[in-house]
Amino acid sequence: EAGVVQSPRYKIIEKKQPVAFWCNPISGHNTLYWYRQNLGQGPELLIRYENEEAVDDSQLPKDRFSAERLKGVDSTLKIQPAELGDSAVYLCASSYKAGSIYEQYFGPGTRLTVT
Amino acid sequence: GQSLEQPSEVTAVEGAIVQINCTYQTSGFYGLSWYQQHDGGAPTFLSYNALDGLEETGRFSSFLSRSDSYGYLLLQELQMKDSASYFCAVLNTGGFKTIFGAGTRLFVKA
Repeated sequence: EAGVVQSPRYKIIEKKQPVAFWCNPISGHNTLYWYRQNLGQGPELLIRYENEEAVDDSQLPKDRFSAERLKGVDSTLKIQPAELGDSAVYLCASSYKAGSIYEQYFGPGTRLTVT
Repeated sequence: GQSLEQPSEVTAVEGAIVQINCTYQTSGFYGLSWYQQHDGGAPTFLSYNALDGLEETGRFSSFLSRSDSYGYLLLQELQMKDSASYFCAVLNTGGFKTIFGAGTRLFVKA
């Protein structure tokens, strides 16, 4: 079974530039999460999808961040414009169903550096 | 508010047993998970406790006391490859939100 796929793995951009991250969850997983992880910290939830619906985006900075999950499969997270403080690892995770959302499968992440 | 506390670092010797504690404060507790993350890697799920007591999975065990808002991860027969960061994560009843602690960095020495 293929794991969660993310791309790109690394991205370096200048501040004020846009950037996008892509995630393909494990087949059959209807719940998808985007997390941000700063160095030395735990993952912080940005948004959670149940199929196509964003059920929790309370932590997503909506002035510059946007996300979509068309057709309830893969997802894209966008930042526009990026700021220096956005440098972090962006992790995508998926889980099978509401009853087992405690077990999340994470992708390798995208390490973003904003200069 | 919601918060989780766990030690920032723990050092242990290969072959020993180590316990990583986690205390939490949350408005609606559903369960406690543990994840392992090696440097540069993805977090991987280790265990989950929704009820009081001990859950054992091979060399790893996890314990929960809901009345004390406390849990721990127990690693036995430590191996060098266990050197990693370990995160406790609370699953809340409100919308099933997962909140991660800051992590405990475990160093296993020969």
